[in-house]
Amino acid sequence: KAGVTQTPRYLIKTRGQQVTLSCSPISGHRSVSWYQQTPGQGLQFLFEYFSETQRNKGNFPGRFSGRQFSNSRSEMNVSTLELGDSALYLCASSWSGVKGNEKLFFGSGTQLSVL
Amino acid sequence: DAKTTQPPSMDCAEGRAANLPCNHSTISGNEYVYWYRQIHSQGPQYIIHGLKNNETNEMASLIITEDRKSSTLILPHATLRDTAVYYCIVRSDSGNTPLVFGKGTRLSVIA
Repeated sequence: KAGVTQTPRYLIKTRGQQVTLSCSPISGHRSVSWYQQTPGQGLQFLFEYFSETQRNKGNFPGRFSGRQFSNSRSEMNVSTLELGDSALYLCASSWSGVKGNEKLFFGSGTQLSVL
Repeated sequence: DAKTTQPPSMDCAEGRAANLPCNHSTISGNEYVYWYRQIHSQGPQYIIHGLKNNETNEMASLIITEDRKSSTLILPHATLRDTAVYYCIVRSDSGNTPLVFGKGTRLSVIA
């Protein structure tokens, strides 16, 4: 069974540009969460999607957005990139995301560098 | 904010048991204790989780104190590949709550 797949693995952008990152969850998983990891702030929750609807959102500006498709695949978008957006962006999937005893499985992440 | 406290770093000799402590003194009755680890530049990897009872799987054992205010993750025979940052996380069973990561413990397994 394939794991969580994130593409691309590495990305280099310049300030002011926008970027779209993709995540394919484990087959059958319907909940997809996104996290940002930086050396200074650690792992921080961005948002979570289930059945194409955003169910939960972390404390990030509106430049960070996402969506989920009917096949549970998800994308996140960052507009007007800033240097501080350089980070490892991680996607995690689970069956439904509603139970505390449900494991989350993470992808390898997309390393975004903003120059 | 994370509801757990972990030592920032620990060393362990290869082949010995690694015992990683976690304090979660404000844990509620419906909150699970989760352990994840992250090897450099990879995504976090699920290790084990529990509610009240001790748990064991092929990777590790989780020992939760009777009052549930602390727990210990045990890697029975640490190898160099177990070198990673280990995160202890408390997660509510009610609603779709995200995992809240703290700073974790950096475990170095030494040959």
